[in-house]
Amino acid sequence: AQSVTQPDIHITVSEGASLELRCNYSYGATPYLFWYVQSPGQGLQLLLKYFSGDTLVQGIKGFEAEFKRSQSSFNLRKPSVHWSDAAEYFCAVGALGNAGKSTFGDGTTLTVKP
Amino acid sequence: DTGVSQDPRHKITKRGQNVTFRCDPISEHNRLYWYRQTLGQGPEFLTYFQNEAQLEKSRLLSNRFSAERPKGSFSTLEIQRTEQGDSAMYLCASSLQGAYYEQYFGPGTRLTVT
Repeated sequence: AQSVTQPDIHITVSEGASLELRCNYSYGATPYLFWYVQSPGQGLQLLLKYFSGDTLVQGIKGFEAEFKRSQSSFNLRKPSVHWSDAAEYFCAVGALGNAGKSTFGDGTTLTVKP
Repeated sequence: DTGVSQDPRHKITKRGQNVTFRCDPISEHNRLYWYRQTLGQGPEFLTYFQNEAQLEKSRLLSNRFSAERPKGSFSTLEIQRTEQGDSAMYLCASSLQGAYYEQYFGPGTRLTVT
């Protein structure tokens, strides 16, 4: 069975500082990996996805993530955080043949200090 | 394209009552998914449809839950004899069929059972 672990429940960074959110997955085959952002009371917005190819993927809002197969990780990064990035971030894994459904981590809440 | 919409956005009901939620997917998407998200957790897969056929149901979906997608367009999720443990955000997502198509999420319906 596939699973996702987001080790950090809550992270606080200062505006303008860099950000890295950790994600570890478990899946026997090549995973499809996603990062979503959720603002309070809202649905999920896709930030970026990895299916194959280049292991460094670029997403919206200046985010990027790197797939590291050897570490079973897909960490999300942003070089300079803005106050509007404060939200909850979810990592998810899907798989070919799994009908597109995803397994999500429990999320990391990001607080941005002025 | 107006995205995935869900109605209502909020529902408060008393224990034992029945509730029904509606999801309208992106018009050309033939796959539709329901997820449940409780506080502090990531979304959990409940069920999905390909066109009008319900192809998979999670064991989380007890027999008090039923979902339909009668014409392959909008979907409804009904919960009978609601329990306090049903309080959650119910998220709908849609996608095109195929391994490389990501899911687009609606804003969710927040259910509170008193």
